[in-house]
Formats: sequence, structure tokens, C-alpha cells
Amino acid sequence: DTAVSQTPKYLVTQMGNDKSIKCEQNLGHDTMYWYKQDSKKFLKIMFSYNNKELIINETVPNRFSPKSPDKAHLNLHINSLELGDSAVYFCASSLSGTQYFGPGTRLLVL
Amino acid sequence: AQSVTQLDSQVPVFEEAPVELRCNYSSSVSVYLFWYVQYPNQGLQLLLKYLSGSTLVKGINGFEAEFNKSQTSFHLRKPSVHISDTAEYFCAVSDSLSGSARQLTFGSGTQLTVLP
Repeated sequence: DTAVSQTPKYLVTQMGNDKSIKCEQNLGHDTMYWYKQDSKKFLKIMFSYNNKELIINETVPNRFSPKSPDKAHLNLHINSLELGDSAVYFCASSLSGTQYFGPGTRLLVL
Repeated sequence: AQSVTQLDSQVPVFEEAPVELRCNYSSSVSVYLFWYVQYPNQGLQLLLKYLSGSTLVKGINGFEAEFNKSQTSFHLRKPSVHISDTAEYFCAVSDSLSGSARQLTFGSGTQLTVLP
């Protein structure tokens, strides 16, 4: 009965590879987000979708592409991974202003 | 645009002592305010939130916070901490505008360490 789930939990990969992170919420929320937490634990918004429509796209390299097949899912695809992409990526969903976060995906690029 | 300042990056405190984690924000519009806790290698858990109404809000695990609009602050308090409260605490703000995406802007975090 997990509210916001992400897969995988850990992801170790080589530079230049392409990888995807999946996010699903069973809360019936309309809005979903991706945040990045860097090595200093600073959290920053990357994207937001509302009812499958992109509404926030912060200054993120276009190697990062979110996709929302339905309002319960928001996946993040990353092309040509770089060392600086190593971070924890959090998915969140919200209704009426309060955001609930997934457990995070710890990405390490070697 | 909003910004959040957490004034203390690290707060050590002895078990059963009171603690206050400070948070100040700036915004040109009305806001919602949140505190999240992150235990080591885990996700973000909502501690409490201020959306409207009473300025004193109570959250989980005995935490409370007070919204002070004139001082643009939202400090987090607990009267008696436990070892299990050791974690990173994040203050966050979003605008409260209808139709807004309400993205969260986070502070840099405060590491609370409870000592035996």
C-alpha cells in the first residue's frame, strides 16, 4: 500500500549510458514532480506534471526527459549519463498543495 | 519566486532537551510552509504543514511549528528530543496561488544530532 513508489532504489551505471527511473503513486493525485538531491543534500525541483501535462521544466539539461503515460505515473529518462548526474532523485505527488515523496533513487555514475 | 534560509546547518542537542530549528523565508506572494524530515538513506517524510488558519501547527513525533508572517519565519520546535529524532530536517515553501504548480523551494537542511 505504498503511496509513492520508485524503481529502482539504487542505480549504478557507466558514463554515457541511458537509464530510466520509474515513479508511481496510488494516492489519486493530479500533480507529480521530480526533484534532485545533490551530494550536499540540497533539493531542487526538476519537473512537474499535472494530469499528464508538463507544467514546470526547470533549467535541466535536455538529456533528462520526463514522461507521464497517465496521471499515476511519471518516469524520468536520462540519456548520455555524466558523472555530475550522480545524485538522489525523488519523485513526489500532490493534491491541494501538500507533496508526498517517494523513497528516492540513488544514482551513481562511474 | 521564493527562497528559504535555514540558519543552522548542524544542531547538536542532548537527549530530553528542547530544540528549535530555525527557518526564514521570503516571498512576494502568500505561501504554504512545510517541514520534512529525512532519516539516513531514506526519503522525505512530511512532519507538518501550514496552509492556513491557526499559526501554531502540530505535526508527527511531537514536533510543532509557528508561522510568523511579520518575521517571515516558520521555526520548528520539540520540547524533549529522543535519540531517534537524529535526522536531516528541511524547511520548504511553495506559493499558495490557485492554479499554480506549487513547486517546493527547500532550505539547505539542518542536521539534528541527539546525543545520549
